[in-house]
Amino acid sequence: QKEVEQDPGPLSVPEGAIVSLNCTYSNSAFQYFMWYRQYSRKGPELLMYTYSSGNKEDGRFTAQVDKSSKYISLFIRDSQPSDSATYLCAMKYGNKLVFGAGTILRVKS
Amino acid sequence: DGGITQSPKYLFRKEGQNVTLSCEQNLNHDAMYWYRQDPGQGLRLIYYSQIVNDFQKGDIAEGYSVSREKKESFPLTVTSAQKNPTAFYLCASSIARGNTEAFFGQGTRLTVV
Repeated sequence: QKEVEQDPGPLSVPEGAIVSLNCTYSNSAFQYFMWYRQYSRKGPELLMYTYSSGNKEDGRFTAQVDKSSKYISLFIRDSQPSDSATYLCAMKYGNKLVFGAGTILRVKS
Repeated sequence: DGGITQSPKYLFRKEGQNVTLSCEQNLNHDAMYWYRQDPGQGLRLIYYSQIVNDFQKGDIAEGYSVSREKKESFPLTVTSAQKNPTAFYLCASSIARGNTEAFFGQGTRLTVV
């Protein structure tokens, strides 16, 4: 069993839709949770990070962590074609950093 | 500007040759990582280093070697023992404690010809 599970998609939505991206994990030692966006043939860029259960909002993006269920989510409101990318969840404890497989998101205009 | 620089962006290697990928950071980060990315498999950890002159194997270290002689530099050598080296390689760094985000370079695409 992988430590971090993420549906690879692809997820296809119309412009303006609310997007929900999710990851589950098995290791309760994970303390920090991150979401990265990766465009084709580029390095991942950090979108958001959080270390506590609850919600964290930044513009159109909301990161949600539920440690009791070992489940994290990223919501994108008013999705745009420029949001089309691969979204990677990542989790960290100590210096161990583990990534999900990434979900391919396509926003159609 | 602070950041992580990977070079070259594209690299071609003949079978049986060793090749070294460069990763340099000026963020004063203690920890550095090398990942391999293949379609549908996400990022898999090859090696990581927490401090100078120290590094640990990740999940797929076979056929790779690293060194950490300077805090700013963490080169990765892909040896001829790596059976399937064609992939996208990503280097990352982070502060070991406290602020925990990891930042990535732009990657090196290695192709064996």
